[in-house]
Amino acid sequence: DIVMTQSPSSLAMSVGQKVTLSCKSSQSLLNSSSQKNFLAWYQQKPGQSPKLLLYFASTRESGVPDRFIGSGSGTDFTLTISSVQAEDQADYFCQQHYSTPRTFGGGTKLEIK
Amino acid sequence: EVKLEESGGGLVQPGGSMKLSCVASGFTFSNYWMNWVRQSPEKGLEWVAEIRLKSNNYATHYAESVKGRFTISRDDSKSSVYLQMNNLRAEDTGIYYCTRGLRSSHAMDYWGQGTSVTVSS
Repeated sequence: DIVMTQSPSSLAMSVGQKVTLSCKSSQSLLNSSSQKNFLAWYQQKPGQSPKLLLYFASTRESGVPDRFIGSGSGTDFTLTISSVQAEDQADYFCQQHYSTPRTFGGGTKLEIK
Repeated sequence: EVKLEESGGGLVQPGGSMKLSCVASGFTFSNYWMNWVRQSPEKGLEWVAEIRLKSNNYATHYAESVKGRFTISRDDSKSSVYLQMNNLRAEDTGIYYCTRGLRSSHAMDYWGQGTSVTVSS
């Protein structure tokens, strides 16, 4: 199974700051034929279901603000929030959609000070 | 509007069985892979099972932790996906979400609100 590791487990930031979340996979998520990385990011607010933010590492889902930026390739990935807003307070999860079992990272809890 | 609505959760004793249902609306259900994902404080988010399309012979895949105990199925005529859970264990406790797989990538673009399953005596 592909193991997904996220860091940090939690962080607290102020509105307007740049936030960087890390996700590492135990195997490459790069599909050699498509040259796409099969890595997704989800946001989960308290009491809500997870919401897809990005897939293929950097493709933003419809309606997701452009301050959410995904990058990385192979085994190392980053979710950047360019200027964090109060409404971004949530848990963030990465998930590999490269193969089954489709494993998730343990999550990063983002608090807005 | 895409909607996924789960039902069937509740309290069950260890060793018991339960069947979860998810009714979909707002899209052509038969064109999408469907999944069950669960969440608990102890294990976080855990993908449970996936079912593919008629054209894939309704191929299924399972997490190792549920293989042989859980069965995912679908009824395209009812826009529904199911999860039959047998021989339930305490560690199966959690919120179970029905999710849709994006056609291009199979990331999960829509999630239901979840149904709670508690396995306890």
